[in-house]
Amino acid sequence: DIVMTQSPDSVAVSLGERATIYCKSSQSLIYRSNNKNYLAWYQQKPGQPPKLLFSWASTREFGVSDRFSGSGSGTDFTLTISRLQAEDAAIYHCQQYLSTPFTFGGGTRVEIK
Amino acid sequence: QITLKESGPTLVKPTQTLTLTCTVSGISLRTSGESVGWIRQSPGKALEWLALIYWDDDKRYSPSLNNRLTITKDASKSQVVLTVTNVDPVDTAIYYCAHRRFVEWESDAFDVWGRGTMVTVSS
Repeated sequence: DIVMTQSPDSVAVSLGERATIYCKSSQSLIYRSNNKNYLAWYQQKPGQPPKLLFSWASTREFGVSDRFSGSGSGTDFTLTISRLQAEDAAIYHCQQYLSTPFTFGGGTRVEIK
Repeated sequence: QITLKESGPTLVKPTQTLTLTCTVSGISLRTSGESVGWIRQSPGKALEWLALIYWDDDKRYSPSLNNRLTITKDASKSQVVLTVTNVDPVDTAIYYCAHRRFVEWESDAFDVWGRGTMVTVSS
């Protein structure tokens, strides 16, 4: 199984500042035939299901604020939230969908300082 | 617009079999490339992928559930059913079904999720 490790477990950031979340996979998430990274980021607010923010590590979903950016390749990935707003308080999950069993990171809670 | 809705019991006794249904709208489960999965989230824990079924009835399971899972679909009813046998209190969780996007012959991430259904395993 591919193990997904997120860090930190939680982070408190002031409004208007930047939050950075890391996700590391135990093996490369690049599929050789198309050179794409099979990595997704989700946002989950209390009482709600996860919401897809990014697929292919950096392809932002329609309607997601451009304050959110996804980057990285291979085994190391980053989700950055710039100019943090109150509505960004949530748990963020990374997930690999290269191979089954699909696996998720442990989640990172973003709080407002 | 794709929507998914989970249904099933809220309380199950240990050793019983849990049966959950995901009713899908906005897609046909017969369409080439389509797939639907089940994911659960125990209280305060990470998301855990359980199973996936494809349009052609190909199935994938989490090996960590030790063959306790069965996923099936009824395309005529637009439903995907997950059964979990021999449940234990550790199976207490919110169970979500989710659509896996298929675009330009590539299977992508889970782009649409149901709201989830809370299942408690307790005697």
